[in-house]
Amino acid sequence: ELKVEQNPLFLSMQEGKNYTIYCNYSTTSDRLYWYRQDPGKSLESLFVLLSNGAVKQEGRLMASLDTKARLSTLHITAAVHDLSATYFCAVDSGGSGGGADGLTFGKGTHLIIQP
Amino acid sequence: GAGVSQSPSNKVTEKGKDVELRCDPISGHTALYWYRQSLGQGLEFLIYFQGNSAPDKSGLPSDRFSAERTGGSVSTLTIQRTQQEDSAVYLCASSHVSGGSYEQYFGPGTRLTVT
Repeated sequence: ELKVEQNPLFLSMQEGKNYTIYCNYSTTSDRLYWYRQDPGKSLESLFVLLSNGAVKQEGRLMASLDTKARLSTLHITAAVHDLSATYFCAVDSGGSGGGADGLTFGKGTHLIIQP
Repeated sequence: GAGVSQSPSNKVTEKGKDVELRCDPISGHTALYWYRQSLGQGLEFLIYFQGNSAPDKSGLPSDRFSAERTGGSVSTLTIQRTQQEDSAVYLCASSHVSGGSYEQYFGPGTRLTVT
């Protein structure tokens, strides 16, 4: 059974600081996704990471994937209040059917950025 | 373009009643997924459709849950004899294969409350 663990689950930080959210998963996978969820809203896709060593950046967020370590990180640079949200990583167990098992999500990291 | 739409956005029902939730995926997306999000269980994958067929229904929580998809487009998730533990937000997502990615786009969800 695929397990996905995120840490920390809760993070309060000040604007301007840097921090990293970690996502570990238990079985081989080449597809990892990061989503953002605002309170009362649905999931917004942030990054799709498809291979070992993949790195993607959008604004103050950067995501990376190490498939050998089964680890992905989401790094926040010079945080601003608008980045306050819950961030989920999700793993696609893959297989020839592609997507047939759905995504397995971590529990989410509730991020609060204070002015 | 239009994203994934779901209806109703909110549903309050009495225990023991049947409910039907609807998902309209992004046009052209062949894959469709149902998830459930609750405080206690986080995000759980329920079922996946490729076209009109669902290869694996084992993610459905009980035999009170069923889902169908017709015409390779709209899907309905039906819960019979609802119980209080069915209260959750039911999310639908759709995807198509692009460069090896099965990136899923989520709808706004249906918040189900069973009283």
